[in-house]
Amino acid sequence: IAGITQAPTSQILAAGRRMTLRCTQDMRHNAMYWYRQDLGLGLRLIHYSNTAGTTGKGEVPDGYSVSRANTDDFPLTLASAVPSQTSVYFCATKRLAGEAGELFFGEGSRLTVL
Amino acid sequence: GQNIDQPTEMTATEGAIVQINCTYQTSGFNGLFWYQQHAGEAPTFLSYNVLDGLEEKGRFSSFLSRSKGYSYLLLKELQMKDSASYLCAPMDSNYQLIWGAGTKLIIKP
Repeated sequence: IAGITQAPTSQILAAGRRMTLRCTQDMRHNAMYWYRQDLGLGLRLIHYSNTAGTTGKGEVPDGYSVSRANTDDFPLTLASAVPSQTSVYFCATKRLAGEAGELFFGEGSRLTVL
Repeated sequence: GQNIDQPTEMTATEGAIVQINCTYQTSGFNGLFWYQQHAGEAPTFLSYNVLDGLEEKGRFSSFLSRSKGYSYLLLKELQMKDSASYLCAPMDSNYQLIWGAGTKLIIKP
């Protein structure tokens, strides 16, 4: 049972390069989320998708884009990486967006931008 | 605005009891979650409270007072494996979780 798969698990990237973090789920959850986690700060929402075909901006969307072509996949793209985007990125899912349900997390992608 | 306040770090002894407090302010409220996160790992769900009072689940209990904007997580019979960060996260009116920075709990033998 895979649940939520994120790739890559770790990446070092030169500033200015384009990077896509992949997230795939097999739980058939409608809602998907991308968070970044930095030392001393809480998880911060970058983008979310309430259902396939829709996306929305979170608290810190600048420099990131997402797409949701189908239920299972929710890739996060950094068009031109900057050092401040060095962070651990977590993809998460929830069964339905408009419910007080549990969030399930992927294992995270550790990104370093030099 | 939305704000979560919890201690940055706490230390406790193996076998003891520890209480991690959390105060919050959110735009609307749809319950409060506690997650556990071991170093280098993803957060995992511990508890959910939507009504006032205490919810008990084995060695872990969680309390909520909506009128005071206050919750706590109580861990009993502490084990070394309980060393982790504990994240308080109320859910706002849009069903989005608002995350605190977490409390790092250090368990000493």
